[in-house]
Amino acid sequence: KAGVTQTPRYLIKTRGQQVTLSCSPISGHRSVSWYQQTPGQGLQFLFEYFSETQRNKGNFPGRFSGRQFSNSRSEMNVSTLELGDSALYLCASSPGRASEAFFGQGTRLTVV
Amino acid sequence: KNEVEQSPQNLTAQEGEFITINCSYSVGISALHWLQQHPGGGIVSLFMLSSGKKKHGRLIATINIQEKHSSLHITASHPRDSAVYICAVKTAGNQFYFGTGTSLTVIP
Repeated sequence: KAGVTQTPRYLIKTRGQQVTLSCSPISGHRSVSWYQQTPGQGLQFLFEYFSETQRNKGNFPGRFSGRQFSNSRSEMNVSTLELGDSALYLCASSPGRASEAFFGQGTRLTVV
Repeated sequence: KNEVEQSPQNLTAQEGEFITINCSYSVGISALHWLQQHPGGGIVSLFMLSSGKKKHGRLIATINIQEKHSSLHITASHPRDSAVYICAVKTAGNQFYFGTGTSLTVIP
């Protein structure tokens, strides 16, 4: 069974640009959550999607958005990138909202 | 104040030692997770707990809901256990909070 797949693995963007990251969950998993990890703030919750609906959102500005498709794949988008958005972005999938989560390898975003 | 506090922040042990990492939280939770992160970023979920105790190989996780405290124990530690261990809680409202992690180094 394939694990959680995040693409791309590495990304370099310029301030002011936008970026879209992709997460393909484990087959059959309907819940996808996104997290940001930085050296200064550690892991922080971005949002959770279940059945194509955003169920929960962390304390991030509106520049951070996401969506989930009917096949449970999810994308997150960050617009007007700032240097501080440089981070490892992780997604996790689970069969249901109260189930154990399985993490992807992450996308390392560098904003220059 | 952080909703999740972990201790110690850093831990160095000799191979074979018994290791304990502690996690205290201040919010009501529906579940607590212990995560392991190796250099390079990949995270593995070790345990999800809502009560009691779970064991997987040399790893044991316990939780005391009344005291809002959880511990992760590693018996007979091995250099491959070297990683960052992160405690994460999920509230009934499906908010997630994370500890800052415990960096474990096991020396051969």
